[in-house]
Amino acid sequence: NAGVTQTPKFQVLKTGQSMTLQCAQDMNHEYMSWYRQDPGMGLRLIHYSVGAGITDQGEVPNGYNVSRSTTEDFPLRLLSAAPSQTSVYFCASSRRLAENTGELFFGEGSRLTVL
Amino acid sequence: GEDVEQSLFLSVREGDSSVINCTYTDSSSTYLYWYKQEPGAGLQLLTYIFSNMDMKQDQRLTVLLNKKDKHLSLRIADTQTGDSAIYFCAETRRGGKLIFGQGTELSVKP
Repeated sequence: NAGVTQTPKFQVLKTGQSMTLQCAQDMNHEYMSWYRQDPGMGLRLIHYSVGAGITDQGEVPNGYNVSRSTTEDFPLRLLSAAPSQTSVYFCASSRRLAENTGELFFGEGSRLTVL
Repeated sequence: GEDVEQSLFLSVREGDSSVINCTYTDSSSTYLYWYKQEPGAGLQLLTYIFSNMDMKQDQRLTVLLNKKDKHLSLRIADTQTGDSAIYFCAETRRGGKLIFGQGTELSVKP
């Protein structure tokens, strides 16, 4: 099993450009989520999904869109990138909802720079 | 407040004990977690504690939970240089969201 796979690992964008961060998991996990990590801020939840066709907002959803058309994939879209979105993005998945001790499995991260 | 709070840095000598503290917010959290992040990598689950427990021990790790004060701590005995990493506490919120603290960067000096 590959686990949680994120692409790309690195990306540089100009302000106003759009892009999609891809996330795929091969563990048949119900729960998937996107976090961003910034110095001194820890990990902040952007969006999450408890199953195919269901998504919900996290702590910092503005500027990001998600969809969950399959169990395996959970892409994160930036429609018009801003410098404030410069960050390291992590995708994470879980066998069950986190409140049922579902351990979160993380991807290796995607480092995004917006100029 | 809404945040899960941790101090940002901790420095210890090799062989000493490390204690990393966390204050969480949601008294209804069923489980509380400690995750570890090594440089350039994603997070990995270190340990967790069920909310009806006061303490959990797992080899060199001891987790203490004070529900009254909403305080969680992680003690690492006989800290080694390989324990240098960022440690995150996390709580579950309604709907299954997992919310993390800011992370504590542990530096272990030989």
